[in-house]
Amino acid sequence: DAKTTQPPSMDCAEGRAANLPCNHSTISGNEYVYWYRQIHSQGPQYIIHGLKNNETNEMASLIITEDRKSSTLILPHATLRDTAVYYCIVTPDYKLSFGAGTTVTVRA
Amino acid sequence: GAVVSQHPSWVICKSGTSVKIECRSLDFQATTMFWYRQFPKQSLMLMATSNEGSKATYEQGVEKDKFLINHASLTLSTLTVTSAHPEDSSFYICSARGASGNHEQYFGPGTRLTVT
Repeated sequence: DAKTTQPPSMDCAEGRAANLPCNHSTISGNEYVYWYRQIHSQGPQYIIHGLKNNETNEMASLIITEDRKSSTLILPHATLRDTAVYYCIVTPDYKLSFGAGTTVTVRA
Repeated sequence: GAVVSQHPSWVICKSGTSVKIECRSLDFQATTMFWYRQFPKQSLMLMATSNEGSKATYEQGVEKDKFLINHASLTLSTLTVTSAHPEDSSFYICSARGASGNHEQYFGPGTRLTVT
């Protein structure tokens, strides 16, 4: 029973912003939105998380809609090394349930 | 960021033998560690959660007697796959979480297990 819905794949151009959508229409008030990514054959890497406010760190920005039913991860200047599977996860605690994610391919 | 290591990075073993995988947090104390399994072209599946000094909590469908987890210290957790069979061949990944209030989980690089 998936809690999040993400497009299976997307391409983006190197140097451009990559906007990754995630739908979580059944999110509960105490659930956080987390984003992780997994580069091929490596362990996942934490990107960012948020509860209701927009967040920004050195890797990305997270925009959460006011009703919290969807969010967008923004990679401001995509590089070839950003090619990975990106996972959007909602959870009230620290147990992460990984869905299929979005396979992002950054092209030169 | 914090570093989590796994050893070995890959292992090949014969069917029926046991294999131990270590997960270490190198520069922080991990109060909670998680073990995942990932089959080819699939997503990560949480196997169990372990807190230092207590028994692991296994996810539904994961055999606790087959996948033995020990979290004896704040920097080390081990996963032992007992009586391994070819269907246990997979990518095993651990993650660690530090002090309460820290939302980030730090993942190890994974261990590729092949059972022949």
